[in-house]
Amino acid sequence: EAQVTQNPRYLITVTGKKLTVTCSQNMNHEYMSWYRQDPGLGLRQIYYSMNVEVTDKGDVPEGYKVSRKEKRNFPLILESPSPNQTSLYFCASSFAREWADTQYFGPGTRLTVL
Amino acid sequence: AQTVTQSQPEMSVQEAETVTLSCTYDTSESDYYLFWYKQPPSRQMILVIRQEAYKQQNATENRFSVNFQKAAKSFSLKISDSQLGDAAMYFCAYRSAGTYKYIFGTGTRLKVLA
Repeated sequence: EAQVTQNPRYLITVTGKKLTVTCSQNMNHEYMSWYRQDPGLGLRQIYYSMNVEVTDKGDVPEGYKVSRKEKRNFPLILESPSPNQTSLYFCASSFAREWADTQYFGPGTRLTVL
Repeated sequence: AQTVTQSQPEMSVQEAETVTLSCTYDTSESDYYLFWYKQPPSRQMILVIRQEAYKQQNATENRFSVNFQKAAKSFSLKISDSQLGDAAMYFCAYRSAGTYKYIFGTGTRLKVLA
């Protein structure tokens, strides 16, 4: 089944404790991206990647790191989480072709930073 | 910088009736793509419809259609014959051609009344 998976689905942590949220897709997509969703703010893009070893900042990259060492994986790293990073996080992927750019989203990761 | 505005935080529609969700955007670019995404209570993000800016013809997908007014920078979504399963949060999104940087609106929550 074609899908984007994220782990964990729910995470409660404390300020300053490094964490990684994993994202994996099995559709051979070139493009992958991380978003955060906050009430009243919609979705905001954090980072995106067009291919292995190629990453670009979205609108809200501060406090986050990403890496793309393999085509299928795109982990999101919070080196020192803070309470303002409490949010719902989505990973998405698509082909990087203008006529085939439908984004497929993962199920979301609910992160709470105390 | 591009912006996307959804001015209706919440709307209601009677089952089987038609409803239109509004979206306006601001850009200085001439080539771009516009999207409507649906997020039901399951939180899964689903692409509803997509419009290329260079196409004058409005996109349609079954009961979903758009009214794309490029000069007015308006991209509204019309849902015909509304069904209970259409109840969800709807997000409008923008992407510049040649990049994969997405800008989302703040969303409109649609309630469908039986």
